[in-house]
Amino acid sequence: TQTVSQSDAHVTVFEGDSVELRCNYSYGGSIYLSWYIQHHGHGLQFLLKYYSGNPVVQGVNGFEAEFSKSDSSFHLRKASVHWSDSAVYFCAVSSNYNQGKLIFGQGTKLSIKP
Amino acid sequence: GGIITQTPKFLIGQEGQKLTLKCQQNFNHDTMYWYRQDSGKGLRLIYYSITENDLQKGDLSEGYDASREKKSSFSLTVTSAQKNEMAVFLCASSILGGHYAEQFFGPGTRLTVL
Repeated sequence: TQTVSQSDAHVTVFEGDSVELRCNYSYGGSIYLSWYIQHHGHGLQFLLKYYSGNPVVQGVNGFEAEFSKSDSSFHLRKASVHWSDSAVYFCAVSSNYNQGKLIFGQGTKLSIKP
Repeated sequence: GGIITQTPKFLIGQEGQKLTLKCQQNFNHDTMYWYRQDSGKGLRLIYYSITENDLQKGDLSEGYDASREKKSSFSLTVTSAQKNEMAVFLCASSILGGHYAEQFFGPGTRLTVL
């Protein structure tokens, strides 16, 4: 059974700070990991993905994530957040064994203080 | 680019009522999905459709029906609305064959049952 865990329900930082949103997964096979962002009142938007190769992947708006097989993690980072980054962030995992269905984490709400 | 349209944006129903939500996409994607999002939780897959006239059950299909009338549209029916139920239903689409394919989401339909 695949699971995705986002340990922080809510993270608050100041504008300009760096941030790391954590994601841990449990699965032993070949997987695909992704991050999505959801602004209030909207659907989800794709940020970035990892399938193979360089474990650090770059996404839109300065976001990056690092895959770690040893830690079973795929944490999302940004060096300097902007107020417009306030949103809920979802980590998701899928694989060949579940026909490409995405399993989502519970989400982390990121709040940016001015 | 493309867009996913969900109608209605807000849906208010009565207990026991049958309610239908509609989704249209112009990406020309083969695969479409319906998710349920409850406050503070991740997304849970209700139904998905790999291609026109195909239907696959997700983890939360009980209490729902779906219909993929044509490639561009995917409908979801709540067969008997539950009193005090509140959730957002999100429609998404992706290219066929991609457990590594990003999903594109609509803005959601917010359901309230009185």
